[in-house]
Amino acid sequence: QQQVKQSPQSLIVQKGGIPIINCAYENTAFDYFPWYQQFPGKGPALLIAIRPDVSEKKEGRFTISFNKSAKQFSLHIMDSQPGDSATYFCAASMKGGTSYGKLTFGQGTILTVHP
Amino acid sequence: DAGVTQSPTHLIKTRGQQVTLRCSPISGHKSVSWYQQVLGQGPQFIFQYYEKEERGRGNFPDRFSARQFPNYSSELNVNALLLGDSALYLCASSRLAGATDTQYFGPGTRLTVL
Repeated sequence: QQQVKQSPQSLIVQKGGIPIINCAYENTAFDYFPWYQQFPGKGPALLIAIRPDVSEKKEGRFTISFNKSAKQFSLHIMDSQPGDSATYFCAASMKGGTSYGKLTFGQGTILTVHP
Repeated sequence: DAGVTQSPTHLIKTRGQQVTLRCSPISGHKSVSWYQQVLGQGPQFIFQYYEKEERGRGNFPDRFSARQFPNYSSELNVNALLLGDSALYLCASSRLAGATDTQYFGPGTRLTVL
């Protein structure tokens, strides 16, 4: 059962563009939403994360927007660079129960930034 | 500081065989989680261990097992390999086992089952 749906599957932008990746979740018990970046041959690396009590969070060129009522969140990459070309994953986790630190990932978005 | 290390990097096995994958967490981290990443998909949670105890288990068959050692390193074992077990197996470590504890991933072990 996929609990985090991510779109689009792939995205191509020009250098300086602002790619936007969207995620939607079903389980209202989720309360932590990280984004990971993965380069070929590497493991995922944490980019930025948000809690549902905040509607927006910025770290450098990366911004998360969060809409709790719609159960959606998105990643915006400002002034994108060719070096940002990678696969991006949204994820979610919940406190308590037997889930502890289990991360539920989206399907991933392959981002290509052309020079 | 060294990051999460995993061994081996690549592994080729045949159906029915057994495999053991190893993970060393970041120094000071007490929790290790294992994920399976099939090509073109997001990682799927297999296990989480904290202080040598299993704290979480994903929807995987009993052919998958793991353990954590006193030095917090971990092994993932898969028995009776199937073609569908071919994937990148990722290990992640975190200081604690909470939902908001950042998980740092290793480079993974690429398992191919023929």
